[in-house]
Amino acid sequence: GAVVSQHPSWVICKSGTSVKIECRSLDFQATTMFWYRQFPKQSLMLMATSNEGSKATYEQGVEKDKFLINHASLTLSTLTVTSAHPEDSSFYICSAGRTGEAFFGQGTRLTVV
Amino acid sequence: GQNIDQPTEMTATEGAIVQINCTYQTSGFNGLFWYQQHAGEAPTFLSYNVLDGLEEKGRFSSFLSRSKGYSYLLLKELQMKDSASYLCAVDTGRRALTFGSGTRLQVQP
Repeated sequence: GAVVSQHPSWVICKSGTSVKIECRSLDFQATTMFWYRQFPKQSLMLMATSNEGSKATYEQGVEKDKFLINHASLTLSTLTVTSAHPEDSSFYICSAGRTGEAFFGQGTRLTVV
Repeated sequence: GQNIDQPTEMTATEGAIVQINCTYQTSGFNGLFWYQQHAGEAPTFLSYNVLDGLEEKGRFSSFLSRSKGYSYLLLKELQMKDSASYLCAVDTGRRALTFGSGTRLQVQP
């Protein structure tokens, strides 16, 4: 069964609104989780590292004020896309694991209209 | 910087064997992963190599040579359902993965 659960699996929102995506580790505690983004026919690109109890670490070019990450517990990280625009439409995937293991959530297909 | 290369597309015949290569040049190395991804879905874990050599798991095998910065994924007895993208990814020591661009495999009857 799934060890990382992501919700929702898809969402359609209006331009200018905010969307929250949840990522939960089911069978283990994850002090670190990772958020990736994947555009059509491209590979996964790391957006940020979510750290339990501290600030997230963002990759170069990713706006921290636009993509808010909260890792309030050892099993839950959330990504909020604020003031979404059509160019934010993408497949967002979270990941958690230990050395030698990297499990992915089901992914969230975000469409901004 | 990090550089992970794999072929963009491959085509193979049902029942055959196909080898997907991956070369990498990264600032650190903590292991190499292979994932399978069907369109619109999240990646599914296939294999993890951290030591040199071949790891076999059913119809799938993965090989690693750290000195050459090289890995391959071998798929035997190809089935139509194996048509998917195959992603090579390196843990550079951050535990976050750096992905190659992926190889789209098309299995034909």
